[in-house]
Parts: sequence; structure tokens; C-alpha cells
Amino acid sequence: EPEVTQTPSHQVTQMGQEVILRCVPISNHLYFYWYRQILGQKVEFLVSFYNNEISEKSEIFDDQFSVERPDGSNFTLKIRSTKLEDSAMYFCASCQTADYEQYFGPGTRLTVT
Amino acid sequence: GQNIDQPTEMTATEGAIVQINCTYQTSGFNGLFWYQQHAGEAPTFLSYNVLDGLEEKGRFSSFLSRSKGYSYLLLKELQMKDSASYLCATPDSWGKFQFGAGTQVVVTP
Repeated sequence: EPEVTQTPSHQVTQMGQEVILRCVPISNHLYFYWYRQILGQKVEFLVSFYNNEISEKSEIFDDQFSVERPDGSNFTLKIRSTKLEDSAMYFCASCQTADYEQYFGPGTRLTVT
Repeated sequence: GQNIDQPTEMTATEGAIVQINCTYQTSGFNGLFWYQQHAGEAPTFLSYNVLDGLEEKGRFSSFLSRSKGYSYLLLKELQMKDSASYLCATPDSWGKFQFGAGTQVVVTP
């Protein structure tokens, strides 16, 4: 069964450093998402991406964040200058149509020290 | 905007039935989803309702009443592996999911 993959599974970085989280969505999916989950809290939407552009973003997704689909298969989330409060599990998700089941990747645990 | 409420925790014994309620308020409706999330893992899809009524998938069933803004997930014949958080979620028209805080189900022997 096709699945969404994410790398790395765990990233430790120092405050102020840039990180890039990578995702490979399911190949025939058209809609892509990033969510995050701070430990013990609910899953929060960050950004949605369709047709090579951002379709929606949350208040969390400020100028420090960016997304890219550089080569038709990868979907990346970049945090330019990490803060302690960026420590969370980051999930990538994809789906064929916007109002149906989203498939989640296993997540990247980001720890900012 | 969207607002989703579900209980924080429920405890039940192995073999029993548990019903997790979810109430939601959305500006538009594009379906009601249930996901299961084990600690430290990604949410996995369980069930989806877009029309009123009951959807059954093996041991799991989900019910929706759009007029009441209400859904429930029914877990039957509980197993120890069902101990997890169960997330109620609704998407907007672009697929942005708004998740509830999750209901932690604890299954005891």
C-alpha cells in the first residue's frame, strides 16, 4: 500500500539554526499539508499546498516558515531560524481530493535546544 | 471558523464498548473524520461521514447528525491495542483539517 514518508525521523538543532523537513507524498495525490503537534497538545494545521502554491496557511505559519515542492515528488518544510517553541512533531499529509481522507506520514520529531 | 469538542479521557475494560462523542461548529461542512493516534505516532484514518447516519467498519462505527453538529465513534469488542487517542476532525473546502484535542481511551484488562 502506498504511504507518505518523512525524513529525518528525529532532528535536533540549536536555536536560530535553519532546518528542512522532508516529505514524499503518495505519488498520485494532489493536495499536500504540514501539521505540527506539540507534545501533549492537539494536531495543528500549518499550511496546505496545491498546484504548486500555498492554498491556505495558519497564523503559526509566519515568515520563518516556507514550503516547496522542488522536484515533483518531494515536499519540504523549512524553518529559517528555529525557536525553542518550534519543538514539536511535524506531520506531512497528502490526499487526492481536498475533502477526503488525508494520509499522514510518520512524522519528524524536531527538538530545538 | 471551526470548533471541535470531545472528552479528554475514557476508560473501559477489554471486550466492552466505548462511545466517544464529538460536537463541532463549522462555517461550512465537508465531512466528519475520525482518526486514531497512538503515542508518538501519526494519526491513522478510521472513519468518515458526510451524510447523516451510521457508517460501520468492522469493530468501529461512526455516526453523524449534521443538524445537531454531533458525531460519535463506537468501538466494540475493545482490545488492549485500542488504547490510543481518538481524534475528531473536520476539513474546510481546501482540506485543512481542524482537529479536536483527542479523547484518550484507556483499555484495562
